[in-house]
Amino acid sequence: ETGVTQTPRHLVMGMTNKKSLKCEQHLGHNAMYWYKQSAKKPLELMFVYSLEERVENNSVPSRFSPECPNSSHLFLHLHTLQPEDSALYLCASSQNLAGGSYEQYFGPGTRLTVT
Amino acid sequence: DQQVKQNSPSLSVQEGRISILNCDYTNSMFDYFLWYKKYPAEGPTFLISISSIKDKNEDGRFTVFLNKSAKHLSLHIVPSQPGDSAVYFCAASGGSNDYKLSFGAGTTVTVRA
Repeated sequence: ETGVTQTPRHLVMGMTNKKSLKCEQHLGHNAMYWYKQSAKKPLELMFVYSLEERVENNSVPSRFSPECPNSSHLFLHLHTLQPEDSALYLCASSQNLAGGSYEQYFGPGTRLTVT
Repeated sequence: DQQVKQNSPSLSVQEGRISILNCDYTNSMFDYFLWYKKYPAEGPTFLISISSIKDKNEDGRFTVFLNKSAKHLSLHIVPSQPGDSAVYFCAASGGSNDYKLSFGAGTTVTVRA
C-alpha cells in the first residue's frame, strides 16, 4: 500500500449504530487530519493530530470521536449519528504540522450514509 | 463564514483550449495558496501552489496567478486535455504556523474532445 488509505470506502449505518472509520498513511508523516465534505460544500476540517496528540477539535459534535494510536493510523469512531452527518469523510496527512510544506496528502475518502 | 470562494461551480472547455479557474478569498492574513485536483472516487491531490511573495507560479501546463490587492487567484490550464476533467479546489492558509487549510467548494471542469 502506498500513500493514504481509508476503509471502508462506503458505509451505511443507522442512527443507533456504532461504527469506525480507519485511515492509514504510508508516507512517514507526523500530522494527520480528518475532513468532512458535504455535497457542494467546501472541505471542513474536523480534527488534527500531530505526533499522535490532538491539536485541533474544530467544534465537532461529540458523536464523532477520533483516535490516533500511532503516527500512521487514525480512526474516527461514530455513534448515534444524524442523517445530516451523511457526507464524504476524508483523511489526510502532512510531513509536519506547520512551517515548510503545506501540502496535505489525501486518502480516497469514506462515503457515509446515515439512515 | 466561507473565507475562500469559487463562484463558478462548473466549467466546460474544448480540448486544446485554455481553462481558467477563479478563486476569491476574504482573509488578508492568508499568505499561501494551493490548488488541488480531485477525480471521482479518489481523494484530492496537490496540483500547484503559490506564496504571497509571488504573483505567478508555473508548472508545465498549469499556471497560478495571484492578485493580492484584489484577493483573487486563478489557475490557468493550457492546453486543456481530457484527463484534466476533474473537480478543482482552491485552498489557502495564513502564516508559517497556520496548518489549517481553508477550501473553496470546488469547480468541476469538463474538457470536451
